[in-house]
Amino acid sequence: NAGVTQTPKFRILKIGQSMTLQCTQDMNHNYMYWYRQDPGMGLKLIYYSVGAGITDKGEVPNGYNVSRSTTEDFPLRLELAAPSQTSVYFCASSYPLDPGQANTYEQYFGPGTRLTVT
Amino acid sequence: GEDVEQSLFLSVREGDSSVINCTYTDSSSTYLYWYKQEPGAGLQLLTYIFSNMDMKQDQRLTVLLNKKDKHLSLRIADTQTGDSAIYFCAETPYNAGNMLTFGGGTRLMVKP
Repeated sequence: NAGVTQTPKFRILKIGQSMTLQCTQDMNHNYMYWYRQDPGMGLKLIYYSVGAGITDKGEVPNGYNVSRSTTEDFPLRLELAAPSQTSVYFCASSYPLDPGQANTYEQYFGPGTRLTVT
Repeated sequence: GEDVEQSLFLSVREGDSSVINCTYTDSSSTYLYWYKQEPGAGLQLLTYIFSNMDMKQDQRLTVLLNKKDKHLSLRIADTQTGDSAIYFCAETPYNAGNMLTFGGGTRLMVKP
C-alpha cells in the first residue's frame, strides 16, 4: 500500500489564484481529513469526511472547499488564495485502532503540501 | 472548547531520558495519543492511552496519565539521535473518536 499520498509537495500561489490540493488513500478508509499546520502550532482541522458523498466543516473551513466523490480521493480546493493561507497542509485517513475498544482510531498522514501565497 | 498545551522545545543528551509534557482541558477526553513528526514528513502514531489507565509502557516509551490534573507525559528512555523530532499530544472525546485536538508540538533535540 502507498498509504496516503498528496500532490503537489510544494506550491507558490499569487494572491487571488486558485488551486486544488490532491489527496488519495489506498487503504479503503472511510474517514478522511484535511489539516493545516502553521509554524509552531498544532494541526487545525479544515474539513473532514466520514465517507463518500459526505463532508463536514472542521475548525477553520473558511476559504476552502472539499468534495468526496470516491472513498479514495479527498481533494481540497482553495479559491482566491490569501497570504493567511500560507501553511503546510496535511491530508489524513483513519481506521479503527483497537477492535476491543470502541471509538478509537489511528490517523494516517500524508507527507504534506507546503503552500506559500504571496 | 478543547485546548491542549505543550512546551515548545526540549533538548537532551544522547542516552538520557526525555520527558515531554502535555496538559488538556476537556474533561470528557477519553483517549489520548502521542504522534511523532520527523522533518518533512507527516505525523505517525507513537502510542496511546485510555483514560481508565494511569500508565502504559511500550519498549522505550512510557506514558503517564494524571486525570485529576489533566496531565499527560511521554518518557523516552535511552534517547537516541533518531528520536529528534516534533512530538504532538492529541486528545479525543468519547463520542467523537475520530476527531483529534492536537497540541502545538514539542520539538525534541538530542545532542550526541
